[in-house]
Amino acid sequence: NAGVMQNPRHLVRRRGQEARLRCSPMKGHSHVYWYRQLPEEGLKFMVYLQKENIIDESGMPKERFSAEFPKEGPSILRIQQVVRGDSAAYFCASAAGTASMNTEAFFGQGTRLTVV
Amino acid sequence: GESVGLHLPTLSVQEGDNSIINCAYSNSASDYFIWYKQESGKGPQFIIDIRSNMDKRQGQRVTVLLNKTVKHLSLQIAATQPGDSAVYFCAEPDRVSNFGNEKLTFGTGTRLTIIP
Repeated sequence: NAGVMQNPRHLVRRRGQEARLRCSPMKGHSHVYWYRQLPEEGLKFMVYLQKENIIDESGMPKERFSAEFPKEGPSILRIQQVVRGDSAAYFCASAAGTASMNTEAFFGQGTRLTVV
Repeated sequence: GESVGLHLPTLSVQEGDNSIINCAYSNSASDYFIWYKQESGKGPQFIIDIRSNMDKRQGQRVTVLLNKTVKHLSLQIAATQPGDSAVYFCAEPDRVSNFGNEKLTFGTGTRLTIIP
């Protein structure tokens, strides 16, 4: 059973370009979370999705950022018109349920976005 | 603001010695905590968790202690090895959310370095 797969591992974009980050959850997992981590800081929640639904996007910037988790295929975090401040590591986690259901969230290896 | 936070950003320990990493939280209603280990260039990895109906939980070479009176928890690693060098985060699920999800709030992290 493969773990949470994120690609690309490293992504370089020029200011103004679009960044698309992909996350394939573990098999059987229908809950996906995206987090952002700035250097030397903890992870900050961005968005929580279930298949075809955004459940909680309270951590997402209001502009330029969007996320989806289609019925088929990976979850996508999309950043339009990237700026230098978007440079960070973006982590995806997946779970079969919620922590109250005694399920554990597993993290991917992350995508390191660098905006030049 | 964040509920969880760490006392020390860095900790150096001689190989073979025990290490203790601390974490404070502010929400007295917090009832579940998780410790994660993040190695360089990787995603967070679950180490151990504890619920508020316990004050101690042991795993393999790791022990988590929870003191609800002073809202403090600690991660003890016994007989440290070079592979223990990493950043350690405490985290707690967001119970306040109305969405029923378990998005995590992470502390800043403590960087543990094992000295050979």
